[in-house]
Amino acid sequence: ETGVTQSPTHLIKTRGQQVTLRCSSQSGHNTVSWYQQALGQGPQFIFQYYREEENGRGNFPPRFSGLQFPNYSSELNVNALELDDSALYLCASRGGLFDGYTFGSGTRLTVV
Amino acid sequence: AQKITQTQPGMFVQEKEAVTLDCTYDTSDQSYGLFWYKQPSSGEMIFLIYQGSYDEQNATEGRYSLNFQKARKSANLVISASQLGDSAMYFCAMKNNFNKFYFGSGTKLNVKP
Repeated sequence: ETGVTQSPTHLIKTRGQQVTLRCSSQSGHNTVSWYQQALGQGPQFIFQYYREEENGRGNFPPRFSGLQFPNYSSELNVNALELDDSALYLCASRGGLFDGYTFGSGTRLTVV
Repeated sequence: AQKITQTQPGMFVQEKEAVTLDCTYDTSDQSYGLFWYKQPSSGEMIFLIYQGSYDEQNATEGRYSLNFQKARKSANLVISASQLGDSAMYFCAMKNNFNKFYFGSGTKLNVKP
């Protein structure tokens, strides 16, 4: 049973709109990272947060932004949605430096 | 450029046999971490095994072992005694020294009864 939950599980938005995806990590998991996975491809790293500060970012434009909260929850915000933003969005968290990342089941976003 | 290459889009293995999934990586960092994940059709990513770049011994976790050859920049996953439930996509991933992650394109493993 995964300790990372994501909401919503599915979402349909219109091009140009804004969306907020949520992730709730296990207690004690200070590191959370977000990924975009297009159909049939490997996940693409968006960014990572450690103790509420962004400490790593992939090649995504600034309209992809995030927040991490003290209660081990986090958000991924995407502004000005484009059709190519349609994908499975995964969050992953970990506690210790040498722990593997635990992934949530993802949010499938469809932009029409 | 840093990247992960998985050259096997699909693999078949007979139940109870061992299978090796290939992964090569490209980085100039001295410190990095290598991960393998399993993604069933349901979509969640399941952590399998981790190898640090400074680890001298190959990582093992139950039926999973990582054949780490640093000079060749390869990190192949070996699954022993395959089970039907092992059928899934498998992703190799690398975390570099700047907390950036890179995933390969995945290998779809089918275990035949």
